[in-house]
Amino acid sequence: QSVLTQPPSASGTPGQRVTISCSGSTSNIGSNAVNWYQQLPGAAPKLLIYSNNQRPSGVPDRFSGSKSGTSASLAISGLQSEDEADYYCAAWDDSLNGRGVFGGGTKLTVL
Amino acid sequence: QLQLVESGGGLVKPGGSLRLSCAASGFTFSDYDMTWIRQAPGKGLEWISYISSRGDVIYYADSVEGRFTISRDNTENSLYLQLNSLRAEDTAVFYCARDRSGYFYYGLDVWGQGTTVTVSS
Repeated sequence: QSVLTQPPSASGTPGQRVTISCSGSTSNIGSNAVNWYQQLPGAAPKLLIYSNNQRPSGVPDRFSGSKSGTSASLAISGLQSEDEADYYCAAWDDSLNGRGVFGGGTKLTVL
Repeated sequence: QLQLVESGGGLVKPGGSLRLSCAASGFTFSDYDMTWIRQAPGKGLEWISYISSRGDVIYYADSVEGRFTISRDNTENSLYLQLNSLRAEDTAVFYCARDRSGYFYYGLDVWGQGTTVTVSS
């Protein structure tokens, strides 16, 4: 069981907008920045969103992040087949002397 | 280009040890905090350990505290993870990643390709 809670799966059709939620607590999302990572099959994870809603250079603006209280969301608009991947949220957690925590991951299927 | 290359993985018996290495290139290694992440077969990402840029601040996940040791050599542009008292549940792909600011604020922005550790008798 992961410290951050994500739905195990999500799906959408090409062109659609999908959102993935990430729920935490006051010691992680509630007091620290949230990141999102995309992991394509057989590949290393890639940073998609940092500091709650910032995109690294090269990440399309179809990807956006938001945070409210102890929850965060990743939105993908104009869904494309190449977006089919696993998505993970992450944050620093101030409990237990400090640690990084990840969500369990959401497998996104493009129908 | 920015690159991290892990090595040192392999097959080891329960109770055994391994030393993983992560070679950095394309950036000033000594300016950055670093992190180890692992991923068990078919499972999600698990944060393992963090080390500050100067090596003076270190954190571990409860699951590896006392068994794994993170270290770095800024003169060699290398990050290390010593794995002792290995268990079957440590079987995973181990990734090293650059933490641009520490504490995930700017995220883990450069990742290696991973090295596989298999613990089995």
